[in-house]
Amino acid sequence: DTAVSQTPKYLVTQMGNDKSIKCEQNLGHDTMYWYKQDSKKFLKIMFSYNNKELIINETVPNRFSPKSPDKAHLNLHINSLELGDSAVYFCASSRQGAGEQYFGPGTRLTVT
Amino acid sequence: KQEVTQIPAALSVPEGENLVLNCSFTDSAIYNLQWFRQDPGKGLTSLLLIQSSQREQTSGRLNASLDKSSGRSTLYIAASQPGDSATYLCAVPWGGANSKLTFGKGITLSVRP
Repeated sequence: DTAVSQTPKYLVTQMGNDKSIKCEQNLGHDTMYWYKQDSKKFLKIMFSYNNKELIINETVPNRFSPKSPDKAHLNLHINSLELGDSAVYFCASSRQGAGEQYFGPGTRLTVT
Repeated sequence: KQEVTQIPAALSVPEGENLVLNCSFTDSAIYNLQWFRQDPGKGLTSLLLIQSSQREQTSGRLNASLDKSSGRSTLYIAASQPGDSATYLCAVPWGGANSKLTFGKGITLSVRP
């Protein structure tokens, strides 16, 4: 059973398009996260939700909008995609804010 | 602001060697420290989590230690194998109960047969 899953695994799109990435966890965790891993492999948090409520919003362009329909799902919608958005986006979850985090397989986004 | 450093960025060792990966952090007020493994093109796999009250945590050939006062953690890998080749990242949550996980840049380990 997959604990944290993401779709799609790969996403290739053109500049200016709008795209969404979906994440689901079946661990019963309350907190979910989005991270971005850039071309230099550095991982940085973007957003965190606790029980559907936004609790962390790092300095991310407002073209990025997370949505949590329930505590098992956290989606990421990106408007007007730019070349610099190309990266691997990871979803993660934990039982609580500072608990052990479990990561999804990542979504490799390529903007051309 | 919490900063996490992992040096060196890359390490190559022959199979069978015992090795130590280092991680340092600037703010010692941490809840825990987590070690991850990332294989090329893959997600992160949690290896060990050490709570702030613990000094060590063990899983199989892996042993992680934590010294909060000096801002250091080490991941010890015993009898390394080619299958251990991957990037190893350490991360600490900081900034209150609803914490951000701050990552080091990772150490890319290559174990030569």
